[in-house]
Amino acid sequence: DAGVIQSPRHEVTEMGQEVTLRCKPISGHDYLFWYRQTMMRGLELLIYFNNNVPIDDSGMPEDRFSAKMPNASFSTLKIQPSEPRDSAVYFCASSSSSGGNEQFFGPGTRLTVL
Amino acid sequence: SQQGEEDPQALSIQEGENATMNCSYKTSINNLQWYRQNSGRGLVHLILIRSNEREKHSGRLRVTLDTSKKSSSLLITASRAADTASYFCATEGDFGNEKLTFGTGTRLTIIP
Repeated sequence: DAGVIQSPRHEVTEMGQEVTLRCKPISGHDYLFWYRQTMMRGLELLIYFNNNVPIDDSGMPEDRFSAKMPNASFSTLKIQPSEPRDSAVYFCASSSSSGGNEQFFGPGTRLTVL
Repeated sequence: SQQGEEDPQALSIQEGENATMNCSYKTSINNLQWYRQNSGRGLVHLILIRSNEREKHSGRLRVTLDTSKKSSSLLITASRAADTASYFCATEGDFGNEKLTFGTGTRLTIIP
């Protein structure tokens, strides 16, 4: 299994631009999570899905952030417009309700907003 | 604020020594998990301990859980240079909804 796949691995953009991060979960997993990691705030859960349906988006910082999961094998996290304080590493993780509760993380996308 | 708080924030030990990290949390849990993160990489699951368990072993890892004190510890025995990483505890609430809340992490450095 290829594991959780994220793209791009690095993204540098200018303030005000739209940013789209992509995630492919492990096949068969029914939960998908988006996290943000910074030195100041640590690892924060932004939103998570179960069977493609958003369950809890209380961690999404502002309306500038949106996430979708159109099917079981793909999810996007969009920031529009981006701001310098959005600079962070964004992780996608997936898990299976029939598994052992552990989450499998992707390699992350390092976002820099200038 | 973070559900889990790790202690210490950073730890440096000589290769071959044992490393102990602690985690405290605030609310009732279904399980507690430990993850490792190497620099520039994603988190990797190490071990899970359920709320009705008190101790669990996996290779050189030993995890304890004290639900009365809302605390857990991770012991890595006979440390190796490859154990250098950040270690995070994560708790799943007793709703069992798969949502994890991560602690602040302990940065472990093994000195060869």
